Amino acid sequence: NAGVMQNPRHLVRRRGQEARLRCSPMKGHSHVYWYRQLPEEGLKFMVYLQKENIIDESGMPKERFSAEFPKEGPSILRIQQVVRGDSAAYFCASSPRGQVGAGNTIYFGEGSWLTVV
Amino acid sequence: QKEVEQDPGPLSVPEGAIVSLNCTYSNSAFQYFMWYRQYSRKGPELLMYTYSSGNKEDGRFTAQVDKSSKYISLFIRDSQPSDSATYLCAMSLSGAGSYQLTFGKGTKLSVIP
Repeated sequence: NAGVMQNPRHLVRRRGQEARLRCSPMKGHSHVYWYRQLPEEGLKFMVYLQKENIIDESGMPKERFSAEFPKEGPSILRIQQVVRGDSAAYFCASSPRGQVGAGNTIYFGEGSWLTVV
Repeated sequence: QKEVEQDPGPLSVPEGAIVSLNCTYSNSAFQYFMWYRQYSRKGPELLMYTYSSGNKEDGRFTAQVDKSSKYISLFIRDSQPSDSATYLCAMSLSGAGSYQLTFGKGTKLSVIP
C-alpha cells in the first residue's frame, strides 16, 4: 500500500519563478494537508483540502501561495514569484477522515525541498 | 509563549539507554497527542498516538500524557543506533479543527553504539 507520494523531492527555483509541488494521498484517503518546515523550525500547518474544496487555509500566506485538490489527479501547492524566504521543506499529509481521533491519524509524505536561489 | 515547547537537544545517549523526550503545551483544549520520528531529509513517521491523559505502550516505546501538568513524554527503552532521528511531538483539538496538528520544534536524538 503506497504511502503519501510527493514530487518533486527537490526543486530549485530562481527568485521570481513559480514552484509547483504535487501530492498524491494514500489510497482510500480523501483529506489532504500541507505543512511547511522552515530551517530550525517545527512543522507549520498551511492548508487542509478535500476533493475540489479548500476547507481551511488559515496557515497559508495571503499572497503568492495557493492550493488545490481537483476531482482527478494530485493535490497541488503553487507558489508564485518565489523569494528566498520560501526555501523550506513542504510536506503533504493525508488521512481517511478529517477529524483526528480513534482510528484516524494523519500520515506524511517524504516532503519536497524547495531551494530559492 | 509558544503553544508547544520542546527542547531541541541535541540529545546523545549510549546504545541501550532509556531515552526520555518531553513536550509542554499551553492550550488546555488539546486532546490528541502524537509522537512522530523524522530521519534526516525524510517525512515525519507516526510513532505513537494517545488520547487525553494516560500511558500507552508499543514495543520499546511508551507515551505518557499528563493533562493536569500540560506535559507529554515519550520513553524509548533499550535505545538503538537506528533510533537516531529527530522526534516531534504534535497535538490537536477534539472535534472541529482537530485535523490541524500543532508541532513542537523537535528533539534531535543520537544513539551512540
